[in-house]
This record gives sequence, C-alpha cells and structure tokens, in this order.
Amino acid sequence: DGGITQSPKYLFRKEGQNVTLSCEQNLNHDAMYWYRQDPGQGLRLIYYSQIVNDFQKGDIAEGYSVSREKKESFPLTVTSAQKNPTAFYLCASRGQRVNTGELFFGEGSRLTVL
Amino acid sequence: GQQVMQIPQYQHVQEGEDFTTYCNSSTTLSNIQWYKQRPGGHPVFLIQLVKSGEVKKQKRLTFQFGEAKKNSSLHITATQTTDVGTYFCAGPGGSTLGRLYFGRGTQLTVWP
Repeated sequence: DGGITQSPKYLFRKEGQNVTLSCEQNLNHDAMYWYRQDPGQGLRLIYYSQIVNDFQKGDIAEGYSVSREKKESFPLTVTSAQKNPTAFYLCASRGQRVNTGELFFGEGSRLTVL
Repeated sequence: GQQVMQIPQYQHVQEGEDFTTYCNSSTTLSNIQWYKQRPGGHPVFLIQLVKSGEVKKQKRLTFQFGEAKKNSSLHITATQTTDVGTYFCAGPGGSTLGRLYFGRGTQLTVWP
C-alpha cells in the first residue's frame, strides 16, 4: 500500500546528541513537510521541500536540519542546538507543488530527551 | 504573517449534543482544509473547501467556508464517542507556495 513511513516511532536521546528521524513516502509526491506538535500548540512547520535538492525553512527551523536527495525521502535531524526537542514529529507529503490538495501524514515519531 | 486562528481550544460535550469549531484567517484564503487527529494518532484529511460560501456535508459533519473566504466552521450534529479527537483547520500560505498554516486545533471530548 502507498503511504508515508516514519521511523522510529519512539526515540529517547540524551542531551547533547543529534538524532535523525526518517521519513519515506512511496506516493510519488513532490512536496514533503516536517511538523512539530506540542500539547496545545497545534502543528508548527519546521521545514518543507517542494522538489528534490531544494527545501525551505518553516517557522521553527532553528536547531533542525533536513536533506532532500531523493524524491521519496526527507529525513529530519534534531541537533543539540535545539533547546526543547521533546515533542511529537510529523512528516507529511502532498502531490502538488501548489497551494491545494490534502496532506498525507505519517504516524509520527515521538522524541524524548532525557 | 499568515495566521489561522481556531476556537475554542477545548470542547466537552455529552454524547448526542452538537459541536462547532471555528476558524478565522487574517487574509483571504484560496481554500481551507480540515483534518481530524484521534488521540495518539496522526492528522487525517477530512475535506477541502474552495468556493466562497461553500457548504459541504459528510454524514453528521457540515463544513462551511465564509463568503469573504476568511473564515470557516465545522459543525457536528449529535456527537458520538467516535468523534473524539482534535480537529484542525489549515489554510495555504498566500504567496508562499506550498505552505499550509494550521490552526491550534479544537480538542473534542465526548462523554457517553
């Protein structure tokens, strides 16, 4: 079945460590997104990519980095510079590179910093 | 910048009561989308509205897009326990192609 796969589902990290969250889609979608969700905060955009080898910062990009070397993959690295990394991270994709069409979400990765 | 405001943040209802969540944008939207996130789950697309004054129904859910395309609402008639979750509205980012701005969501609790 087509869809978006995020891994790992749960991740624990010590302070000062970088961690990379995986996001893979087999929907042949051009656009991919990373959102962060905290209780009562809704979904905040970290980075998004409209096409391979190109990506843009969202509203809360500080302390995060991404790459888009392949159409199917959009990994997110949470660096040690991110002050409060404990959160639920959601990856999404959309077929069109325009301002319409639904977002398809992965099941999310829950990161806890110990 | 673009903002999508959503109220209320929380709503607790008795099963069988109606529920409404409202979404307002600071700018005119070309379209608006609604998503539902069950507890512990991920957001799932419900619907997209495009036309001014548009009204769409999905069983007990009624979605409206305002005449000025700056506000929208989701109304659930006779809520059921299966309606529990957080409902988000989302609008595109104007000239910023591809961006989608989400409201903070309305968390619905339904008591049996």
